[in-house]
Amino acid sequence: DTEVTQTPKHLVMGMTNKKSLKCEQHMGHRAMYWYKQKAKKPPELMFVYSYEKLSINESVPSRFSPECPNSSLLNLHLHALQPEDSALYLCASSRLPGGGNTEAFFGQGTRLTVV
Amino acid sequence: GNSVTQMEGPVTLSEEAFLTINCTYTATGYPSLFWYVQYPGEGLQLLLKATKADDKGSNKGFEATYRKETTSFHLEKGSVQVSDSAVYFCALSGTPGGTSYGKLTFGQGTILTVHP
Repeated sequence: DTEVTQTPKHLVMGMTNKKSLKCEQHMGHRAMYWYKQKAKKPPELMFVYSYEKLSINESVPSRFSPECPNSSLLNLHLHALQPEDSALYLCASSRLPGGGNTEAFFGQGTRLTVV
Repeated sequence: GNSVTQMEGPVTLSEEAFLTINCTYTATGYPSLFWYVQYPGEGLQLLLKATKADDKGSNKGFEATYRKETTSFHLEKGSVQVSDSAVYFCALSGTPGGTSYGKLTFGQGTILTVHP
């Protein structure tokens, strides 16, 4: 099983809503990532969790709040988002933090629209 | 810091044409190099990788060789198909123990369209 599963696939939310994105992997990977991707652009790293601890936060606004409940799950809690936060949110995992000699596996993404 | 530069796109080819997408990088130490592909409406899939100089990654007819002397990792395919139409991203992962360890650095992406 080399799958990273993200739910939901699509999400429309208002600027006052609170929602969560979920990501799951069962490959035994101990590094998990959140990326944001705007149309026709490369993914931008948001957060890295290594061994369930937040190791990298790329100065992401506090309206995005990550959570890693266990080694298989990664959540991204959303609150008071802005329309410019509309994007494809990608989760990824790798066997070792940074995937130095190992690749990152990506999920299919959640297409988020903020109205 | 690390950086990846890909050739400007979009690239439009006829079926069975030869494909080259250039990728060069700047990094300290010994990064690992990757090509990812993104089909419309989907996430990224790893296409191939190389972890040390002179390694050749290959998959589905695509190849790329890790050239440290020219800091390049060009993607090639001898005969493209319509189904290869997608966005291709070159990426690197920093050297373990370095300040960029834990991050994938992506190129800007190259849109490939293959016509029948």
